Amino acid sequence: QKEVEQNSGPLSVPEGAIASLNCTYSDRGSQSFFWYRQYSGKSPELIMSIYSNGDKEDGRFTAQLNKASQYVSLLIRDSQPSDSATYLCAVIRGYQLTFGKGTKLSVIP
Amino acid sequence: DGGITQSPKYLFRKEGQNVTLSCEQNLNHDAMYWYRQDPGQGLRLIYYSQIVNDFQKGDIAEGYSVSREKKESFPLTVTSAQKNPTAFYLCASSPGTGGTDQPQHFGDGTRLSIL
Repeated sequence: QKEVEQNSGPLSVPEGAIASLNCTYSDRGSQSFFWYRQYSGKSPELIMSIYSNGDKEDGRFTAQLNKASQYVSLLIRDSQPSDSATYLCAVIRGYQLTFGKGTKLSVIP
Repeated sequence: DGGITQSPKYLFRKEGQNVTLSCEQNLNHDAMYWYRQDPGQGLRLIYYSQIVNDFQKGDIAEGYSVSREKKESFPLTVTSAQKNPTAFYLCASSPGTGGTDQPQHFGDGTRLSIL
């Protein structure tokens, strides 16, 4: 059974702070890793992809992957109220994309 | 604009009725997927298709059926056998048959409720 675990939150951070979202996965054969953002009532939107160990930065977002520890994280710097959403971690092996249940982030002005 | 179009946005099903959710993409993607999302839950895979005229069951295929007669279209039928159909249904697609490093992109979803 492939599992992707996330802390459901809610995670509350003040505006301008760093938000740290974490994800662990059980399938060592997982090949690629994604973070999606989902606003309430909307569909998921891809915000980051990461394929190899280390950090990947894109604007205010940094994804971190550690395959040995089966751990992937997302850091959001200078958090804004518009970042308030549920963040879904997803891992892929072949065509099977497995999602975590998501972490709800609230950025407090 | 290229994208994935799901229709209708809202759908109501009567007892014993089959309903079909539409998903069309103009991204020239080979692979298409259907997910179900329940409140506070992650996405669960219903069916996926890597190529025209072929599809595979996902984790929760019971009570659902699909077809893939055209590359751009992947309709989902929720049959009367699905006893708890109320959910948010999401269609996704990804570029190629390579699959292993291809992120999936989603349509806007269809909310299905029981009357």
